[in-house]
Amino acid sequence: QKEVEQDPGPLSVPEGAIVSLNCTYSNSAFQYFMWYRQYSRKGPELLMYTYSSGNKEDGRFTAQVDKSSKYISLFIRDSQPSDSATYLCAMSEIGNFNKFYFGSGTKLNVKP
Amino acid sequence: DADVTQTPRNRITKTGKRIMLECSQTKGHDRMYWYRQDPGLGLRLIYYSFDVKDINKGEISDGYSVSRQAQAKFSLSLESAIPNQTALYFCATSDLGQGFSQDTQYFGPGTRLTVL
Repeated sequence: QKEVEQDPGPLSVPEGAIVSLNCTYSNSAFQYFMWYRQYSRKGPELLMYTYSSGNKEDGRFTAQVDKSSKYISLFIRDSQPSDSATYLCAMSEIGNFNKFYFGSGTKLNVKP
Repeated sequence: DADVTQTPRNRITKTGKRIMLECSQTKGHDRMYWYRQDPGLGLRLIYYSFDVKDINKGEISDGYSVSRQAQAKFSLSLESAIPNQTALYFCATSDLGQGFSQDTQYFGPGTRLTVL
């Protein structure tokens, strides 16, 4: 079983839709959760990070962590064509600087 | 200019050849990483280095070696390339995050390597 599972998609939505991207994980020691966005032919870029449980909001993006269910989500409100990219979740144990576990990524296409 | 650069961006080579991928950064970070990305498998850590004198194996280091020539430079070598090393390779750098002791990693644009 992989440490982090992520539906590869692709997910296709119309412009303006609310998008929900999700990851599940198996290691209960994970406490640092990240979402990266990767445009085609580019490296991943950090979008948001959260610490332990709860929600974090940044503009149109909301990251949510449910540690009891080992489930994290990224919500995108009012999605735009420029949001079309692959979204990767990543997570690590606190203090384990060398080891990030990445999901395989969900490809999102926002249609104009 | 990009903070993390990788050369070459694309490379096609043959089985058995020696290949070097290079990474340079202007972010002033001490920590550098090499990952490979394969469809359906996500990013997997090959090697990482916390400073010029520190080299550590990652999850999938077999068949690879690295050299940290300077704080800003970290090279990945495939001594004898094989087809299952065909992948997208990323270099990343990091420094301690603000407010708590956890890294934020910054990725280069990637090198697409094909081994025939």
